[in-house]
Amino acid sequence: AQSVTQLDSHVSVSEGTPVLLRCNYSSSYSPSLFWYVQHPNKGLQLLLKYTSAATLVKGINGFEAEFKKSETSFHLTKPSAHMSDAAEYFCVVSDPNSGTYKYIFGTGTRLKVLA
Amino acid sequence: KAGVTQTPRYLIKTRGQQVTLSCSPISGHRSVSWYQQTPGQGLQFLFEYFSETQRNKGNFPGRFSGRQFSNSRSEMNVSTLELGDSALYLCASSQTLNTEAFFGQGTRLTVV
Repeated sequence: AQSVTQLDSHVSVSEGTPVLLRCNYSSSYSPSLFWYVQHPNKGLQLLLKYTSAATLVKGINGFEAEFKKSETSFHLTKPSAHMSDAAEYFCVVSDPNSGTYKYIFGTGTRLKVLA
Repeated sequence: KAGVTQTPRYLIKTRGQQVTLSCSPISGHRSVSWYQQTPGQGLQFLFEYFSETQRNKGNFPGRFSGRQFSNSRSEMNVSTLELGDSALYLCASSQTLNTEAFFGQGTRLTVV
């Protein structure tokens, strides 16, 4: 069965410092992995996706994530945080080979950016 | 290109009533999925539709139902509302079943 664990429920960084949001997944097959961001009272915006191509995935707004199969991880990083990055971030796994394309969401990481 | 449109954005209903939420996918997208978001349970999968067929259903009671029309627009219905149905309901569309999903802004349902 698929599952996603976001290791931190809250992360605080200072503006201009690096961001690291951690995600581990469990999947029986070769999963598709995504990171989405949700700003207050908004829907979810796709940041980036991994679908078995390059293991280092670049997304929007300077975010990137590295797929590490040996560690079953898909951590999200950004070199320099901006105030506008403050939001909730969700790691998502989808396992098409399991017969369903539904998303399994992590519990979210709330990112706070300090001035 | 217009994004995923959900209507209405906000709803207040009384226990026992029923409600219908609407979702218009991105033009050309044939797959629509619905998710419920609550502070306690997070984001949970409700349904998945492709070409008017329900492909998968999450672990929700039969009071939750949905459908997809020939133009790919989708509706979900919740009957006999309970206080615990208060949530943000998110609709997502994708071109096919195996491509990334784009989410609408959601419908905030409050049951009183």
